[in-house]
Amino acid sequence: IAGITQAPTSQILAAGRRMTLRCTQDMRHNAMYWYRQDLGLGLRLIHYSNTAGTTGKGEVPDGYSVSRANTDDFPLTLASAVPSQTSVYFCASTASAGGGTQYFGPGTRLTVL
Amino acid sequence: GENVEQHPSTLSVQEGDSAVIKCTYSDSASNYFPWYKQELGKRPQLIIDIRSNVGEKKDQRIAVTLNKTAKHFSLHITETQPEDSAVYFCAASSGGGADGLTFGKGTHLIIQP
Repeated sequence: IAGITQAPTSQILAAGRRMTLRCTQDMRHNAMYWYRQDLGLGLRLIHYSNTAGTTGKGEVPDGYSVSRANTDDFPLTLASAVPSQTSVYFCASTASAGGGTQYFGPGTRLTVL
Repeated sequence: GENVEQHPSTLSVQEGDSAVIKCTYSDSASNYFPWYKQELGKRPQLIIDIRSNVGEKKDQRIAVTLNKTAKHFSLHITETQPEDSAVYFCAASSGGGADGLTFGKGTHLIIQP
């Protein structure tokens, strides 16, 4: 059992390019989340999904989109990357759509030049 | 939306002493308050959480207290050990965290030998 996996581990991207960060969980968790972590700012919620087929906006959604076609996968897409999107991105999941303990993936370090 | 303030940003204590980290929140509807520990280069991991119907919760050397009236909650670590050195994040959410967490900016805890 892998838990939550994220890919890629790290990526350097030219500004203006499109990029999709992948997140997969094998725990059959209902809810999934995307956070970005910047030094001195902690973790900030980008988007979330309580169940497959539904998504919601978090604190910093601009420039990002998500989809939840099935229970296991929750990809995060940057349509046209900008340097301010340089960050460490963490995916998380919760067993219940009603909340509870969030389990985090290993993170993706993204650098936009 | 919710706003979580966390203090101090850095805390240095002697091994064996106690450490206290404090957080305040703004949304009176918040009812779920987890604490995460993050070691350098690793993912955040839940160490303890508390819900709004409880004033205190303990797990071995770790305890969390919640004052709903004042809208603040604290993490207490007793008999600190070198492996307690890490960054600690508090978070708050309404709805049990179903729509994501709002995090504080973190406290870097340093255990001096």
